[in-house]
Amino acid sequence: AQSVTQPDIHITVSEGASLELRCNYSYGATPYLFWYVQSPGQGLQLLLKYFSGDTLVQGIKGFEAEFKRSQSSFNLRKPSVHWSDAAEYFCAVVPTGFQKLVFGTGTRLLVSP
Amino acid sequence: GAVVSQHPSWVICKSGTSVKIECRSLDFQATTMFWYRQFPKQSLMLMATSNEGSKATYEQGVEKDKFLINHASLTLSTLTVTSAHPEDSSFYICSEARGADFSGTQYFGPGTRLLVL
Repeated sequence: AQSVTQPDIHITVSEGASLELRCNYSYGATPYLFWYVQSPGQGLQLLLKYFSGDTLVQGIKGFEAEFKRSQSSFNLRKPSVHWSDAAEYFCAVVPTGFQKLVFGTGTRLLVSP
Repeated sequence: GAVVSQHPSWVICKSGTSVKIECRSLDFQATTMFWYRQFPKQSLMLMATSNEGSKATYEQGVEKDKFLINHASLTLSTLTVTSAHPEDSSFYICSEARGADFSGTQYFGPGTRLLVL
């Protein structure tokens, strides 16, 4: 079945440590790929997106993501996590030929002091 | 700053009543808006696509008579939950799409939490 998978429900990272959030998709053709962050009381905010071209994408707030076609993955990374990064992170895709976002189940990031 | 607002931010109502949620685009004339539903600790599920001046397009399994969507202007879309029941309790989020080719850039509202007693 076509889907977006975020295998980690929760991740706890120490402040200052590096972060990687995983995202896999199962669509025949490479969809448009996105990462969003959801903080309490705020709307989802787009961190970065990939349509084509360079497979390493830079986003806001120091985040980056790498598209790997062979693995059908689009993992989000940050070299040094700040306490303010604690939030829910969603991977999302726009499947080829469709005009809607399909979200993964989300990963809740906790940042420990 | 915020480009999409929602009102109210939370609402509690009795079972059987109707609730209207507003979604406003603050700095863009949005011909297309989306309505999502998010259950606790779950992902966002698209409910419907709201098109200005025409009928909304509902996703499979979403009752169009239950969730009435009106997009009468380029800056306002409303979702009315009719005859609400406790199972309709959820977090409702709207978004606006920018880009004629649907580049996928959506701006999301802060959401409305609905609790039906």
